[in-house]
Amino acid sequence: GQSLEQPSEVTAVEGAIVQINCTYQTSGFYGLSWYQQHDGGAPTFLSYNALDGLEETGRFSSFLSRSDSYGYLLLQELQMKDSASYFCAVRAPDSNYQLIWGAGTKLIIKP
Amino acid sequence: SQTIHQWPATLVQPVGSPLSLECTVEGTSNPNLYWYRQAAGRGLQLLFYSVGIGQISSEVPQNLSASRPQDRQFILSSKKLLLSDSGFYLCAWSATGSNEKLFFGSGTQLSVL
Repeated sequence: GQSLEQPSEVTAVEGAIVQINCTYQTSGFYGLSWYQQHDGGAPTFLSYNALDGLEETGRFSSFLSRSDSYGYLLLQELQMKDSASYFCAVRAPDSNYQLIWGAGTKLIIKP
Repeated sequence: SQTIHQWPATLVQPVGSPLSLECTVEGTSNPNLYWYRQAAGRGLQLLFYSVGIGQISSEVPQNLSASRPQDRQFILSSKKLLLSDSGFYLCAWSATGSNEKLFFGSGTQLSVL
């Protein structure tokens, strides 16, 4: 079967760094996407990794290790507005190339 | 720039009533279109996707259906709603060949009572 695992909840302090992990089990793999969703809002795209390594976009970075079937989203200099749910999603050939979604990680930021 | 419109924002419907949710995209041609459902505090479940007019792929068997009468219009329908149809419905689009990056509409919160 196909599955993605990410922690259900992570708590961090404003100004700190937090890492949200995602492990996946799929038959085939094209890439790993990350999305942010605030309560009551729609998901917004953050990043996509198709190759191993780190991709940096401002305060957010995303990492992929294809050999370990593992990726993470790194958020630096946390701000209160970063409080949201974060979803990893895998694009795989055995899902007709549609995204397979994790259940999401709720990030709670304390002042 | 591209925009996606989805309406209504909230909807309360009785069990057994019909449903029609509409989504339109502007500023792009031949987008891939998607309907997702999200239960409270949960992940996203892909319901339907479309790569072109009249082309609909269903991911989950249910009493919902989708149609794409125009290139940038996607409609989610039901003839008779069930209690289990309640949820947050999201329309999304992606560029052809780039379905790792989805752009979502603002969503419709559907409550079936």
